[in-house]
Amino acid sequence: NAGVTQTPKFQVLKTGQSMTLQCAQDMNHNSMYWYRQDPGMGLRLIYYSASEGTTDKGEVPNGYNVSRLNKREFSLRLESAAPSQTSVYFCASVQAGAKNIQYFGAGTRLSVL
Amino acid sequence: RKEVEQDPGPFNVPEGATVAFNCTYSNSASQSFFWYRQDCRKEPKLLMSVYSSGNEDGRFTAQLNRASQYISLLIRDSKLSDSATYLCVVNRMDSSYKLIFGSGTRLLVRP
Repeated sequence: NAGVTQTPKFQVLKTGQSMTLQCAQDMNHNSMYWYRQDPGMGLRLIYYSASEGTTDKGEVPNGYNVSRLNKREFSLRLESAAPSQTSVYFCASVQAGAKNIQYFGAGTRLSVL
Repeated sequence: RKEVEQDPGPFNVPEGATVAFNCTYSNSASQSFFWYRQDCRKEPKLLMSVYSSGNEDGRFTAQLNRASQYISLLIRDSKLSDSATYLCVVNRMDSSYKLIFGSGTRLLVRP
């Protein structure tokens, strides 16, 4: 059972470079989320997709874009990476109604130099 | 003020000890409550949901006090494997099913 799969696991970028973080879930969940986690800050919501075809901003959306490619996949794009985007990024999914329990991917550790 | 507040710890306890964590939330519209566990450099995983009447899962007991807007987690007979960060999480019951995470309380259980 794969659950939520994130790629890549690690990435180092130079300031100004772009990249896309991939997330896929095989649990047929409707809602998907992207978070970032920084020391002492907890998880902060970047963007979410309540259902296929919809996306909405979370708490810290600046500098990011997302695409809900289909029900399974939700990608996060950094168009021009900045050192402030150095963080651990987690993707999560939930089947609405199932007590809203979110299942997380293993994370992507991103460093922007 | 953060919407969900936790004491960051660390709580350093010997094996076999009982330890309790508290968490406060500011939004009275919060409807669902959870404790997640996060091991170092790993993803958060659900430990238990928190119900109004309180609930127990083995050595773990969760309590909710809606009037005072706080949630607690009690761990009895601590094991070395309980060492982790415990995240308090609340959900405002709107169509987005967004979860609000506390910053976490770190627990270290020593031999």
